[in-house]
Amino acid sequence: GAGVSQSPSNKVTEKGKDVELRCDPISGHTALYWYRQSLGQGLEFLIYFQGNSAPDKSGLPSDRFSAERTGGSVSTLTIQRTQQEDSAVYLCAGSRGIGQPQHFGDGTRLSIL
Amino acid sequence: GEDVEQSLFLSVREGDSSVINCTYTDSSSTYLYWYKQEPGAGLQLLTYIFSNMDMKQDQRLTVLLNKKDKHLSLRIADTQTGDSAIYFCAERRYGGSQGNLIFGKGTKLSVKP
Repeated sequence: GAGVSQSPSNKVTEKGKDVELRCDPISGHTALYWYRQSLGQGLEFLIYFQGNSAPDKSGLPSDRFSAERTGGSVSTLTIQRTQQEDSAVYLCAGSRGIGQPQHFGDGTRLSIL
Repeated sequence: GEDVEQSLFLSVREGDSSVINCTYTDSSSTYLYWYKQEPGAGLQLLTYIFSNMDMKQDQRLTVLLNKKDKHLSLRIADTQTGDSAIYFCAERRYGGSQGNLIFGKGTKLSVKP
């Protein structure tokens, strides 16, 4: 597609439920990043994929968070047993490679009741 | 410190110039970026500068980089109401975690008619 596509755009769920967030990057962008933006905060790095290399998971806040990227394209971020502090906007970005500008999707706004 | 720092708010009148300032942390950072975020949207890449440059101009936007002071600024000439948004400064640190960006908390620019 022309831009980075994220779905759903909004997600409201009850505490304790699992959620899956999807990112479809721009074709040809081999690097893919997930960030989290909490209210009034900057962006917090979560995880990074580059080609077939092992992902860099150093930013994941707990073992309830995981992500995968299938076929070097679409990525899903999964949060298990959601907590209220997981409420945030989850942003996905892609780039042509390390050091190249990152292009962001519009994010998924996650609200945990 | 460890954080990328920006002032939180800036208010200007339509037609004036806006200058948004940022202090970054790592003198070996390779790329420095400015992103714009409008309400409900993701981050839009505005411009970026490589660390061996001290100035970059792109239409109404001028980026100045002072490596000695680790200071980055974004000047918007002839500011319009459509420029109202949150502006994020970000650095990519040399040898950083696979290229993820470190963001400031953003400067909210309000443009008054």
